[in-house]
Amino acid sequence: AQKVTQAQTEISVVEKEDVTLDCVYETRDTTYYLFWYKQPPSGELVFLIRRNSFDEQNEISGRYSWNFQKSTSSFNFTITASQVVDSAVYFCALFAFTGGGNKLTFGTGTQLKVEL
Amino acid sequence: EPEVTQTPSHQVTQMGQEVILRCVPISNHLYFYWYRQILGQKVEFLVSFYNNEISEKSEIFDDQFSVERPDGSNFTLKIRSTKLEDSAMYFCASSPTSGGGGANVLTFGAGSRLTVL
Repeated sequence: AQKVTQAQTEISVVEKEDVTLDCVYETRDTTYYLFWYKQPPSGELVFLIRRNSFDEQNEISGRYSWNFQKSTSSFNFTITASQVVDSAVYFCALFAFTGGGNKLTFGTGTQLKVEL
Repeated sequence: EPEVTQTPSHQVTQMGQEVILRCVPISNHLYFYWYRQILGQKVEFLVSFYNNEISEKSEIFDDQFSVERPDGSNFTLKIRSTKLEDSAMYFCASSPTSGGGGANVLTFGAGSRLTVL
């Protein structure tokens, strides 16, 4: 079975601080995909990144960066110089092909609040 | 950019009533999904649909739920007799395939909020 754990329920930071959102996953598959989605207060789910299990290269996209470490089954997400518009719930999710079947398994989300 | 469209954005219904939530997936996508998010909780898988049949469903998706693709564009979720605990945000999603490569990124709609009184 697949499982995604986001231990941080809520994080509050002051604008311009860096913040890291943790994600730990469990799967028996050797091929799988990891995702981060953002859910702003308006409620929609916005795709941020997908990473496959064979690509452990870290990725940077503007102020966002992702650190994938298979050895610790973690896929952490860092926002550099946070802004108020980053305030949202962030979900880590796992897609695997066996056991978990044809679906995304989401973590419980981390509520990020960025204040002035 | 192509998007998944859901209607209604919010529906209020009485317990025991039937509800149909509608979705228009991205036109060249082949896999369709419904997910549910009870307020303040995580997003949960309900059902996936491919080639005009359910390919997988969760334990939440009991006999009260059904899905249909009545024409070439719409994908619907029906709840036959709503219960209070069905109150949630329901997300429709689609993907080109469920396989590897760049294809299994799910694009979600904006959600339909269902409130059962």
